[in-house]
Amino acid sequence: QTVVTQEPSFSVSPGGTVTLTCGLSSGSVSTSYYPSWYQQTPGQAPRTLIYSTNSRSSGVPDRFSGSILGNKAALTITGAQADDESDYYCVLYMGSGIWVFGGGTKLTVL
Amino acid sequence: QLQLQESGPGLVKPSETLSLTCTVSGGSISSSSYYWGWIRQPPGKGLEWIGSICCGGSTYYNPSLKSRVTISVDTSKSQFSLKLSSVTAADTAVYYCARIGGSGSYRIQYWGQGTLVIVSS
Repeated sequence: QTVVTQEPSFSVSPGGTVTLTCGLSSGSVSTSYYPSWYQQTPGQAPRTLIYSTNSRSSGVPDRFSGSILGNKAALTITGAQADDESDYYCVLYMGSGIWVFGGGTKLTVL
Repeated sequence: QLQLQESGPGLVKPSETLSLTCTVSGGSISSSSYYWGWIRQPPGKGLEWIGSICCGGSTYYNPSLKSRVTISVDTSKSQFSLKLSSVTAADTAVYYCARIGGSGSYRIQYWGQGTLVIVSS
């Protein structure tokens, strides 16, 4: 069974930069997995931030960016703000109509 | 603006079948360009992809749930549905329906608000 890995938690100072990653238990993440990233605050449905590795969803500030770093997909937040404190999930498309979520990263801004 | 709304019982007994419906408005459910999917989130835990339906009724399921899951679509009602059989307390979760983009995107474009289903006697 494919496992998508994310850091369980991360903290960043206001105004700082943080990079969250999304890897595979076996193998490397590439653009062929169409990595996407979602932000979720408590009690709310997730919001799409990034898709197809580095495309920003409509209305998402440009301080959110996506990339491939080494063998992982990455979400970078530049100039973190207090309301960026959320859970962040990556999703990989495995092909044949199958998607797998990462376990999520809880980001604290302090 | 496309909208999705989940509906169904909020309480299901162990060993019974969980049934949810997602009603789509503001757009066509008949397009072959999209997948229509179900995602769940147990309380305090992460998101889990359950499965999706696409393209003339082709279905795709999470291998860990495949033996218990059925997803179907009723284009006349602009709805798609989830059935999860033999439920246990571990199936207690908020269930989301979603529209997922197809080739070239594969992103979850729209989410329903989610509905909490509790499995308990």
